[in-house]
Amino acid sequence: TQLLEQSPQFLSIQEGENLTVYCNSSSVFSSLQWYRQEPGEGPVLLVTVVTGGEVKKLKRLTFQFGDARKDSSLHITAAQPGDTGLYLCAGGAGAGSYQLTFGKGTKLSVIP
Amino acid sequence: EAGVAQSPRYKIIEKRQSVAFWCNPISGHATLYWYQQILGQGPKLLIQFQNNGVVDDSQLPKDRFSAERLKGVDSTLKIQPAKLEDSAVYLCASSLSRGTTDIQYFGAGTRLSVL
Repeated sequence: TQLLEQSPQFLSIQEGENLTVYCNSSSVFSSLQWYRQEPGEGPVLLVTVVTGGEVKKLKRLTFQFGDARKDSSLHITAAQPGDTGLYLCAGGAGAGSYQLTFGKGTKLSVIP
Repeated sequence: EAGVAQSPRYKIIEKRQSVAFWCNPISGHATLYWYQQILGQGPKLLIQFQNNGVVDDSQLPKDRFSAERLKGVDSTLKIQPAKLEDSAVYLCASSLSRGTTDIQYFGAGTRLSVL
């Protein structure tokens, strides 16, 4: 069974601060996806990283896939209250039937 | 483009009762997934359909859970009889199934409370 460990589990910061969320596994994944989930809604895809060492930027969010494709990080610069939510990483694997294994998530609160 | 539709949004039942959830995926999406998300955890895959066939149901508790996608479009997930530990949000997702670049689109989910 492939497991993804996310840390920290909870994070409460002031508006304008920077933060990093981590996603680690002992397994290799074909891809790593990051989702954000708001209360009462389903997860929404933020980014997919496929190549080891890959870095992608989405406005103030920077995503990195580890060289060995076992871990990933999400860095948010100058956090805004609108960044508040549950951040989930999901590892993708499978040749025929592609499936995602989700971590437990990091619950981020950005205080104005 | 319409998103993934799920109903009902909320359901409260007593243990040992039955319940059914409905999902209508995005038009043209061949793959449909049902996930269970317990409070404080990430979604856990219950079953994956490709068109109207089951691809993976290894984590579906088959003694009480069943799911079908008869015409390869919408799907229903049923629990009979429900247990207290089934309290969770049940998410439906659909995708075009493109391997590593696949994007799963999620519905808002059905929040089930078993009393």
